[in-house]
Amino acid sequence: QKEVEQNSGPLSVPEGAIASLNCTYSDRGSQSFFWYRQYSGKSPELIMSIYSNGDKEDGRFTAQLNKASQYVSLLIRDSQPSDSATYLCAVKDRGSSNTGKLIFGQGTTLQVKP
Amino acid sequence: DTAVSQTPKYLVTQMGNDKSIKCEQNLGHDTMYWYKQDSKKFLKIMFSYNNKELIINETVPNRFSPKSPDKAHLNLHINSLELGDSAVYFCASSQQNNEQFFGPGTRLTVL
Repeated sequence: QKEVEQNSGPLSVPEGAIASLNCTYSDRGSQSFFWYRQYSGKSPELIMSIYSNGDKEDGRFTAQLNKASQYVSLLIRDSQPSDSATYLCAVKDRGSSNTGKLIFGQGTTLQVKP
Repeated sequence: DTAVSQTPKYLVTQMGNDKSIKCEQNLGHDTMYWYKQDSKKFLKIMFSYNNKELIINETVPNRFSPKSPDKAHLNLHINSLELGDSAVYFCASSQQNNEQFFGPGTRLTVL
């Protein structure tokens, strides 16, 4: 059973701090990694995708991938109350390269306190 | 607006009924998906169509039947609804197997 694991939280950080969200995956052959943000009662919104080892930055967001450790993380700098949401990690494994099948983690709830 | 849309947004029905959810995307994507998100917020793939061809069919009861009349539309029909079918159903689309974009969801409540 291929799995994607996240700490469900809640992760609570003060406004302006760096929030660090972590995700591990079981299939070493996984190729593509995504972070989605989901506000309560809303649909998942894609915020980052990463395909190769290292860091990828987009505004206040940085995704970090370490395939050797089977670990992907999302850093949110200068956290704002509006960042409070559930963050879903999704992985496309090697066997899904032709289908696009994503395996989602259970999500981490982030609370940014003013 | 370019987007993935779903109807209805809310669906409340009795056990044993048959219901359908519709999804449309105007992003020009060739692949569409149905996901189920349960009460614990766990999001799981159900089906996927690429250019009207079924390419993902997860372990889902055969009471669930997807249909894709064209690559911009993917519908989900559910027969003999059960209490355990209550969930939020999300449609998503992508170009080939790339990044997926989600619709607003349909909250199904079976009484």
